[in-house]
Amino acid sequence: QVQLVQSGAEVKKPGASVKVSCKASGYTFTSYGISWVRQAPGQGLEWMGWISAYNGNTNYAQKLQGRVTMTTDTSTSTAYMELRSLRSDDTAVYYCAREAYYGSGSPSMDVWGQGTTVTVSS
Amino acid sequence: QSVLTQPPSVSGAPGQRVTISCTGSSSNIGAGYDVHWYQQLPGTAPKLLIYGNSNRPSGVPDRFSGSKSGTSASLAISGLQAEDEADYYCQSYDSSLSALFGGGTKLTVL
Repeated sequence: QVQLVQSGAEVKKPGASVKVSCKASGYTFTSYGISWVRQAPGQGLEWMGWISAYNGNTNYAQKLQGRVTMTTDTSTSTAYMELRSLRSDDTAVYYCAREAYYGSGSPSMDVWGQGTTVTVSS
Repeated sequence: QSVLTQPPSVSGAPGQRVTISCTGSSSNIGAGYDVHWYQQLPGTAPKLLIYGNSNRPSGVPDRFSGSKSGTSASLAISGLQAEDEADYYCQSYDSSLSALFGGGTKLTVL
């Protein structure tokens, strides 16, 4: 079945970097994009950016420009999200989600990973 | 403050019908971008509930329906059940193709 499996929880100190992985299975990885979405404790969903698994094109949320990098490894069907210069307000659950197009409409996020908790604390 | 505005909470008794609104602007929903809806049960990842304004993925009960008009969209849930108690999020795009989420609505089944 189609699924995205993410790496385990991380605890980081302020100023450090974190890299979260998202391994896809059950579909042709390069036929879809991957979005990254985070959710701070008790808060709503925040879109972080998107990467095409076909050609590596990216589109990052403006507030994270310069701190975030999204990549893919097509040989292992895995997407990665690296966030640098971590701050306490980066503490959140980080999700990857597959972006699916239908017809000519805007893509939806139809399959989600289980989430990775990143805690930033001194 | 989210660009897409949702009511923080709604409630209803079992069997009733509730609606959740999602208000945007001419820069996002009103510009023709589709609206999608997600359901997030406590402690779990979000799940796609409605895509393309009004389409249900396979396996989503027909009690859930979506609509879009102008700069707003709505999610309706009829025949409310206890298991529908969750957070609901709308999502669309802006002209830079950045995804936008609403602030989320907590549904309480009384």
